[in-house]
Amino acid sequence: TQLLEQSPQFLSIQEGENLTVYCNSSSVFSSLQWYRQEPGEGPVLLVTVVTGGEVKKLKRLTFQFGDARKDSSLHITAAQTGDTGLYLCAGADNNNDMRFGAGTRLTVKP
Amino acid sequence: SQTIHQWPATLVQPVGSPLSLECTVEGTSNPNLYWYRQAAGRGLQLLFYSVGIGQISSEVPQNLSASRPQDRQFILSSKKLLLSDSGFYLCAWSDELSSGANVLTFGAGSRLTVL
Repeated sequence: TQLLEQSPQFLSIQEGENLTVYCNSSSVFSSLQWYRQEPGEGPVLLVTVVTGGEVKKLKRLTFQFGDARKDSSLHITAAQTGDTGLYLCAGADNNNDMRFGAGTRLTVKP
Repeated sequence: SQTIHQWPATLVQPVGSPLSLECTVEGTSNPNLYWYRQAAGRGLQLLFYSVGIGQISSEVPQNLSASRPQDRQFILSSKKLLLSDSGFYLCAWSDELSSGANVLTFGAGSRLTVL
């Protein structure tokens, strides 16, 4: 079983602060994705990374895939209240099915 | 464009009653379809996936079952619900990127409470 560990589990910060959340595994993934989920809704894809060492930027969000393709990080610069939500990472297993971590619940306070 | 519909959005059922959650996808053909369950603090657990009509793969032994009677219809069922079946159920379909990575698009979810 390929397990994805996300940390921290909970994070509460003030608007304007920076933050980084992590997704780690002992397994190698062919690709890794980050999703954001708001209460009562399904997760929405933010980014897919497929190449070891890859860095992708979406406005204030920076995603990095580890060189060995076992881990990833999400960095948010100058967080806004609209960034509040559950951030999930998911890795593709040998059957190309997506396996999810437990998520980091981010709260950005005004 | 592709859309995914899932219903009902919320339901409360007594222990031992049957369950039927339905999911349909529009705007694509022969999609890979998935049922996930999300419990608080435990992320998304893959329950079933299907690569075609009548083709169902089960990930976790349980009292739930899935069926795919049509190409774009995926149904999650139970004959007798247990308390432990309570949770947030998500249907998803996947599209394959040029890189080979699968991208999941989720429905809005169905919140099931078993009393």
